[in-house]
Amino acid sequence: AQTVTQSQPEMSVQEAETVTLSCTYDTSESDYYLFWYKQPPSRQMILVIRQEAYKQQNATENRFSVNFQKAAKSFSLKISDSQLGDAAMYFCAYRSAQGGSEKLVFGKGTKLTVNP
Amino acid sequence: GAGVSQTPSNKVTEKGKYVELRCDPISGHTALYWYRQSLGQGPEFLIYFQGTGAADDSGLPNDRFFAVRPEGSVSTLKIQRTERGDSAVYLCASSTYLNTEAFFGQGTRLTVV
Repeated sequence: AQTVTQSQPEMSVQEAETVTLSCTYDTSESDYYLFWYKQPPSRQMILVIRQEAYKQQNATENRFSVNFQKAAKSFSLKISDSQLGDAAMYFCAYRSAQGGSEKLVFGKGTKLTVNP
Repeated sequence: GAGVSQTPSNKVTEKGKYVELRCDPISGHTALYWYRQSLGQGPEFLIYFQGTGAADDSGLPNDRFFAVRPEGSVSTLKIQRTERGDSAVYLCASSTYLNTEAFFGQGTRLTVV
């Protein structure tokens, strides 16, 4: 079974600075998807960024980028120019690319605080 | 609708009672998922529907939990003989078939007292 580990229960960053959230995962599959979700106090999970394992190029979405190291099974999220609205729980998630295995496997999350 | 809608937003029930949690997915989304998020944890998969059928129910913890999606749209998660350990936020998500992005609702916070 696949597992996702987020080793940082909490992180803090100053507004306008850069922060990196760590995620590692364990799988025997070669094709899969990785995601970072943001969960504000409203509880709704919001997709931040996703990466297909077969793509070597790291995904980027505006201020959010990932460092995907397939051999090391590492998938970190970098948030640049942090804003107060970035404060939330962040979850790393894995999904198999095999048909019929549509479920997401989540880590325990990292609570990000942004200080003004 | 514009997004995934879950009702009620909060539910308090007594131990041993039966509860139903409703999920109204985004119109046209054939895939629907239920997850359970305990305090301080990430969401854990419960069940996945493709259309009306449960394609994967491997995450249901025991036979007190059951979910249906009779018309391939709205889904109901049913919990019998609730226990205090069932207290959690129950999240629903939907997606188009084979689409990698799942859209989540705001969840139902279930408290069993």
